[in-house]
Amino acid sequence: NAGVTQTPKFQVLKTGQSMTLQCAQDMNHNSMYWYRQDPGMGLRLIYYSASEGTTDKGEVPNGYNVSRLNKREFSLRLESAAPSQTSVYFCASSKGQASEAFFGQGTRLTVV
Amino acid sequence: RKEVEQDPGPFNVPEGATVAFNCTYSNSASQSFFWYRQDCRKEPKLLMSVYSSGNEDGRFTAQLNRASQYISLLIRDSKLSDSATYLCVVNMLRILTGGGNKLTFGTGTQLKVEL
Repeated sequence: NAGVTQTPKFQVLKTGQSMTLQCAQDMNHNSMYWYRQDPGMGLRLIYYSASEGTTDKGEVPNGYNVSRLNKREFSLRLESAAPSQTSVYFCASSKGQASEAFFGQGTRLTVV
Repeated sequence: RKEVEQDPGPFNVPEGATVAFNCTYSNSASQSFFWYRQDCRKEPKLLMSVYSSGNEDGRFTAQLNRASQYISLLIRDSKLSDSATYLCVVNMLRILTGGGNKLTFGTGTQLKVEL
């Protein structure tokens, strides 16, 4: 089982460039999430999608947009990258509300 | 006050030792609780769920104290391979804001098991 697959695994962007991080899950989960992880800050929720067709802001949504393309896929877009968005990004999914989440392998993004 | 708080450590213990981590959470409406393990530069992986009655999985025991709003993780007979960061995770159903599932992570407790 692939579980949660994220692409790309590594990316370097210049300030002002845009990019989309892709995430797909094959577990038929309803909920999907995007987190960022920075040293000393732990995992912080950027956006989540409780079910297909819905998205909601998390703790740190500024500078990001998301699309729940279908039940399997949830993408994260940086419209104009900034150095403060240098981080490790994790996508996750869960079966439903109050369920444990399963994570992708992460995307290491550097904005220079 | 942070929603989920953990002692960052590191906890340096000899192989074979017993070690315990605590985690406190601020929201009494929290519904479900988990411990995750994260190895360096890897994704978090579910270690175990935490149930009201407590639960055990081999050398690992998790307990929940709702009255004091903390959860704990006990590791017995520590192995070198247990060295990792342990994340406390609390889930609160956001009914008032239209539902949705909000997992809140602690910053993690680092464990180093040494020979």
